[in-house]
Amino acid sequence: AQSVAQPEDQVNVAEGNPLTVKCTYSVSGNPYLFWYVQYPNRGLQFLLKYITGDNLVKGSYGFEAEFNKSQTSFHLKKPSALVSDSALYFCAVRDPTSGTYKYIFGTGTRLKVLA
Amino acid sequence: EAGVTQFPSHSVIEKGQTVTLRCDPISGHDNLYWYRRVMGKEIKFLLHFVKESKQDESGMPNNRFLAERTGGTYSTLKVQPAELEDSGVYFCASSQDYRGRLGYTFGSGTRLTVV
Repeated sequence: AQSVAQPEDQVNVAEGNPLTVKCTYSVSGNPYLFWYVQYPNRGLQFLLKYITGDNLVKGSYGFEAEFNKSQTSFHLKKPSALVSDSALYFCAVRDPTSGTYKYIFGTGTRLKVLA
Repeated sequence: EAGVTQFPSHSVIEKGQTVTLRCDPISGHDNLYWYRRVMGKEIKFLLHFVKESKQDESGMPNNRFLAERTGGTYSTLKVQPAELEDSGVYFCASSQDYRGRLGYTFGSGTRLTVV
């Protein structure tokens, strides 16, 4: 069965420091992986995706994520956090061999960047 | 281009009442998805339309939920009768790409509270 785990409910980081939001997944095939962000009172916004190719993918707002097949992880990273990055982050996976087109989401990680 | 529009943004109803949520996808997006997030938990798939047809409704919790997409444009999700456990945020998303490689564009969600 497909699943996504975001082990941290909340991550606190000081402004200017690097941040990491963790995501691990379980699928039977080669996954499509996504990160979305939700700001207060807003919808989910697409940040970045991994479909195939280079394991390091770059996305919006200076975020990047590294696909690690052996560790089944897709951690979200940013070299220098901004207070405006504070939001709720969701990791999602789709198994293209599953026969369905739905995404499986994690429970979300609240990122708090402290000034 | 206009984004995915959902309304109402909030709805508070009593147990046993009926509520209808509406989603207007991005024009030209054949694929429309409904997801739900119950407080603090993962975002769960409800169903997927391709134009007016239900491609996958495996996530619909029970027969109190009815989704329609007449004419392949906007979609409605009706809950009748509502129960307390139906409370949560209902997200709609649309995509040009039925294979899910491009990611979705999400609406801002409808926060449903059943009291």
